[in-house]
Amino acid sequence: QKEVEQNSGPLSVPEGAIASLNCTYSDRGSQSFFWYRQYSGKSPELIMFIYSNGDKEDGRFTAQLNKASQYVSLLIRDSQPSDSATYLCAVIPIGGGATNKLIFGTGTLLAVQP
Amino acid sequence: DAGVTQSPTHLIKTRGQHVTLRCSPISGHKSVSWYQQVLGQGPQFIFQYYEKEERGRGNFPDRFSARQFPNYSSELNVNALLLGDSALYLCASSPLGDTIYFGEGSWLTVV
Repeated sequence: QKEVEQNSGPLSVPEGAIASLNCTYSDRGSQSFFWYRQYSGKSPELIMFIYSNGDKEDGRFTAQLNKASQYVSLLIRDSQPSDSATYLCAVIPIGGGATNKLIFGTGTLLAVQP
Repeated sequence: DAGVTQSPTHLIKTRGQHVTLRCSPISGHKSVSWYQQVLGQGPQFIFQYYEKEERGRGNFPDRFSARQFPNYSSELNVNALLLGDSALYLCASSPLGDTIYFGEGSWLTVV
């Protein structure tokens, strides 16, 4: 079992719709959860992070964390073609806080259709 | 404020050669981490340094080494390059325990 799992996609949504990106993790003690956006040929760009169970909103983005289910998701409201990219989920595992060691999934490719 | 800066941006090396990649963290950030990202995969953790001390090491061979300088900048060194070392090398900067930001990366091609 991979430590962090994401559906590779592509996830195709029409412009203006809500895109829902999902991620599961295996280490129940994982502490911190991050979402990065990566355009083709570019480096990962931090979208948001979440530490506590529940929802965290930032503009059109909402991160949702359920530690009991070991599940974290990212919702993108009013999706735009410019949101088309690979979305990487990353976690800091238990004991990893001292190292800031991020464990990444393989990413989900999102395609927003005009 | 400037973000995480990395150099060089692109480089081509021959098998068996050595490469040095450089990183300057965001001002005030004392933690620098290195990641390797091969095509189609998420980044993989190589090293992390905090206050010039190694805090973590990923599952990479001893050909990979790194260090952090008094001004918190860092170097990643890779010896005896293999074709499989071709990847995007990312430097991440963080105030330990907080948000983690990546630089633009160094694209290494080994031929």
